[in-house]
Amino acid sequence: EVQLVESGGGLVQPGGSLRLSCAASGFTLSDYWMSWVRQAPGKGLEWVASINGDGSQKDYVDSVKGRFTISRDNAKNSLYLQMDSLRVGDTAIYYCSRGGVIGGRLANWGQGTLVTVSS
Amino acid sequence: DIQMTQSPSSLSASVGDRVIITCRASQSISGYLNWYQQKPGKAPNLLIYAASTLQSGVPSRFSGSGSGADFTLTISSLQPEDFATYFCQQTYNTPRTFGQGTKVEIK
Repeated sequence: EVQLVESGGGLVQPGGSLRLSCAASGFTLSDYWMSWVRQAPGKGLEWVASINGDGSQKDYVDSVKGRFTISRDNAKNSLYLQMDSLRVGDTAIYYCSRGGVIGGRLANWGQGTLVTVSS
Repeated sequence: DIQMTQSPSSLSASVGDRVIITCRASQSISGYLNWYQQKPGKAPNLLIYAASTLQSGVPSRFSGSGSGADFTLTISSLQPEDFATYFCQQTYNTPRTFGQGTKVEIK
């Protein structure tokens, strides 16, 4: 059974940093693109970033380029999102998802981790 | 960026009703369109991918159609567990944008 478990969320001040982690199990991580999708409170879904199986290709939404970094450690079955220079507008639940290649689909999702950016 | 527009934004329906949700892209996205269902406090769940392919385990009352820029999600006979918010997403190019969502409520 595919399982994705996010961690690392919390309260941070504007300008601060957080590192989200996603522990994957039930499949071979290196075989899949992986993605982060976020959802601000009471709002819709926003794709944030995707990374290919070996980490050589990364895509980001414009609003996080230069501030967020997606990465992975296939040996540790883990996906990461390093978030720097956080803004109030980054407040959201962040979901880890299996998939993300152009033309593909987000077939499995974690339960999400809440990031709150506030002074 | 490709804009995805869903209609309606919300609807009220009764158990047993046929429900149709539409999703329009700001340009052609071929068939690279997915549909997700999200219930309150839960993560989204993939229903349909590549416009019309039913994800494994999803009931057959859900179906998708369309190509180019216009797509539909149909629920043939609405069940109590189908009251939720539905999102479309294009994966034709980056950013992989979502529609704003359609909330299906009980009439």
